[in-house]
Amino acid sequence: GDSVTQMEGPVTLSEEAFLTINCTYTATGYPSLFWYVQYPGEGLQLLLKATKADDKGSNKGFEATYRKETTSFHLEKGSVQVSDSAVYFCALTNQAGTALIFGKGTTLSVSS
Amino acid sequence: DTGVSQNPRHKITKRGQNVTFRCDPISEHNRLYWYRQTLGQGPEFLTYFQNEAQLEKSRLLSDRFSAERPKGSFSTLEIQRTEQGDSAMYLCASRNTGMNTEAFFGQGTRLTVV
Repeated sequence: GDSVTQMEGPVTLSEEAFLTINCTYTATGYPSLFWYVQYPGEGLQLLLKATKADDKGSNKGFEATYRKETTSFHLEKGSVQVSDSAVYFCALTNQAGTALIFGKGTTLSVSS
Repeated sequence: DTGVSQNPRHKITKRGQNVTFRCDPISEHNRLYWYRQTLGQGPEFLTYFQNEAQLEKSRLLSDRFSAERPKGSFSTLEIQRTEQGDSAMYLCASRNTGMNTEAFFGQGTRLTVV
């Protein structure tokens, strides 16, 4: 079945460092891809999305490009801030397009 | 605040008891989802409603679980004869119809079965 694999965390960085969180997927057809973020004590929030191959989603300095050839959707940010500390989830729509399938999440901790 | 609201936020129950959670979605959203999240894992899909119709159920949803969405508004998730393995965060999300519309999540109900 469809699935998402994320890099294991936690990821610990200093402020202004470059961030990459790897995400690869297995899916039938052409799913939409998402990154969700969960800040401490809050619900999941959509960070960015891409709906077709080669699309780039971006928001708040984060970017991810839908790479069909490598079945990947890696999350990047050029300069992280302490406020980016959170758990990041990669997700895709299931084959029917009705629900999201999530990865296990990657915890990011940024120190000043 | 017109986001997705879940109640209660926390529930501690004894094994074997029944529990019910409530989700109030964003009012104009016709799709409503329930997910379960255990420690160190991503949310796992349980079920979803289009208006009042329950259209899909995961095999994770055993016969001890039942969900309703009367009149296509709020939804309830009931777990009967709770087991320790039911301890988890139960998340509700809502969205409008369409492949790429954003799903908005509530803060979840944390269930602890002792």
